[in-house]
Amino acid sequence: EAGVVQSPRYKIIEKKQPVAFWCNPISGHNTLYWYLQNLGQGPELLIRYENEEAVDDSQLPKDRFSAERLKGVDSTLKIQPAELGDSAVYLCASSFRGGSTYNEQFFGPGTRLTVL
Amino acid sequence: QKEVEQNSGPLSVPEGAIASLNCTYSDRVSQSFFWYRQYSGKSPELIMSIYSNGDKEDGRFTAQLNKASQYVSLLIRDSQPSDSATYLCAVRETGNQFYFGTGTSLTVIP
Repeated sequence: EAGVVQSPRYKIIEKKQPVAFWCNPISGHNTLYWYLQNLGQGPELLIRYENEEAVDDSQLPKDRFSAERLKGVDSTLKIQPAELGDSAVYLCASSFRGGSTYNEQFFGPGTRLTVL
Repeated sequence: QKEVEQNSGPLSVPEGAIASLNCTYSDRVSQSFFWYRQYSGKSPELIMSIYSNGDKEDGRFTAQLNKASQYVSLLIRDSQPSDSATYLCAVRETGNQFYFGTGTSLTVIP
């Protein structure tokens, strides 16, 4: 079974440029998460989708970040314009909600963003 | 404020020893608990899940949960150099929200 797929793996952009990240979750997983991880820190939630609905986006900086999950499968996270402080690893994760006590969450390989 | 606390380390153990990693959490409604291993430059990899009090063993790994004390731990027996990584503790709440600690860095010395 394929895991969570993310692209690109690495991205280097100039500040004020736009950037987009793509994620395809594990087949059948209805919950999708976007996290930001800085060096030496744990993942911090940006947005969580249950199917196509964004149920938690309280930590998403909405002035420059946007996300969508059309048809409740793959998702795109966009930053426009990027700032120097956005340099980090952006992680996508997915889980299946329902029928399991654990609702285990699995991560994709991440996108390492560098803003110059 | 929901918090997951871990000792950041670094924790160093000799090869073959038992490594003990600890985690405390603040929210009593937490449902499930997870340990992830993260190698440098890689994404977190799920290694253990536990939701009921007591011990759960999987190979060289044992997760221990004490909900009354709001404490979860991970024991790694017969530690190997390949176990050197950062270990993240995560907690899931009823709303399917996950909270992560900052991780404990483990080094296994050959």
